[in-house]
Amino acid sequence: DIQMTQSPSSVSAFVGDRVTITCRASQGVDNWLAWYQQKPGKAPKLLIYAASRLQGGVPSRFSGSRSGTDFTLAISSLQPEDFATYYCQQANILPWTFGQGTRVEIK
Amino acid sequence: EVQLLGSGGGLVQPGGSLRVSCETSGFTFSSYAMSWVRQAPGKGLEWVSAISGSGGSTYYADSVKGRFTISRDNSKNTLYLQMNSLRAEDTAVYYCAKDRLGLWPPYYFDYWGQGTLVTVSS
Repeated sequence: DIQMTQSPSSVSAFVGDRVTITCRASQGVDNWLAWYQQKPGKAPKLLIYAASRLQGGVPSRFSGSRSGTDFTLAISSLQPEDFATYYCQQANILPWTFGQGTRVEIK
Repeated sequence: EVQLLGSGGGLVQPGGSLRVSCETSGFTFSSYAMSWVRQAPGKGLEWVSAISGSGGSTYYADSVKGRFTISRDNSKNTLYLQMNSLRAEDTAVYYCAKDRLGLWPPYYFDYWGQGTLVTVSS
């Protein structure tokens, strides 16, 4: 199975900060990558698919990019509602696998 | 409005069986592959099983293959997961999830149910 490794595991930031989360695939997944946001006790929400395409209704402060097997989720100006756990998911080789999650906390 | 409503979770003894369901509305159910994704308490996400829109194709993670069966009733817009020979490590919140584009296999999950908790314990 493809291993997806996220870093950092957690990050503390102020409202208004720029935050970046990285996801590294153990082998190439092309652009077959999604990012999800999950708040405590809630289901995940799709933010980004195909590495950089914004899901409908998601604020433009979220963006995704790829460099080889490294993927980045960026939040340009952190808002109070963005404090959550973020997961990457590869969809190139079955079984689809998720990263272990990155928790974004209030500083 | 797309809605997915999971149900059927509960406490079951090791070796026991349980069926969870996901009732959907707001989209043409038969046109979309559906998946079950689970999350053990305090842990990350694991894709467990998927089924095509027609029900003719299915996928299972190795961790559940031979024990779990995914199915759907397109006349009732409902997805099912029959879980047999349950183990303590199957304890998790089980989410149903809709494929974003109606492809097979389902690549990305754009709508999720609220989750139903399955606890395997004696």
